[in-house]
Amino acid sequence: LAKTTQPISMDSYEGQEVNITCSHNNIATNDYITWYQQFPSQGPRFIIQGYKTKVTNEVASLFIPADRKSSTLSLPRVSLSDTAVYYCLAPSGNTPLVFGKGTRLSVIA
Amino acid sequence: DAGITQSPRHKVTETGTPVTLRCHQTENHRYMYWYRQDPGHGLRLIHYSYGVKDTDKGEVSDGYSVSRSKTEDFLLTLESATSSQTSVYFCAISESVGPSYEQYFGPGTRLTVT
Repeated sequence: LAKTTQPISMDSYEGQEVNITCSHNNIATNDYITWYQQFPSQGPRFIIQGYKTKVTNEVASLFIPADRKSSTLSLPRVSLSDTAVYYCLAPSGNTPLVFGKGTRLSVIA
Repeated sequence: DAGITQSPRHKVTETGTPVTLRCHQTENHRYMYWYRQDPGHGLRLIHYSYGVKDTDKGEVSDGYSVSRSKTEDFLLTLESATSSQTSVYFCAISESVGPSYEQYFGPGTRLTVT
């Protein structure tokens, strides 16, 4: 199971682009990089997943370099409602997801 | 949203009493999970199930037991609640496991043990 490391917290002003980088040096060949978002008083929810290069959806973009040892979640023009904890995971094999402490993003007006 | 409900949503109980939390799903997913979330620790897996009557331990299983007699229900039991089990408990489900699967989470149960 790949261990992931991400910053504990980040602050940003409204309207800015936020990039959260996650390192996963021992990611396995078949592992996907997956990000979850958790708002206060709610359970986490899946936001994006990728294997390599770039993935974009209506919520975020995910950039994965060729060596796949790190990935960057990009949130364009954040608003106050993007204040949440963001978890980077690399699920492996038939094991349950292991969530770390995540990155606590605070968006300031 | 995935059809996952948890009951009760809030509970206050005394040390030493048994407590059972229920997770109910309407998605017919094979896998079900119980996590606890505490400040400073993030989400930690307690137990999970990979089918009816098939369960396994997670990283913080001591003091907890689970049962799954039907696909749709996964019960978490604290045989004798302790103050250290005060936490928010989340149930999750998934259709499969593997390198690219997605988990869906319930709304959580806030348990306070006094």
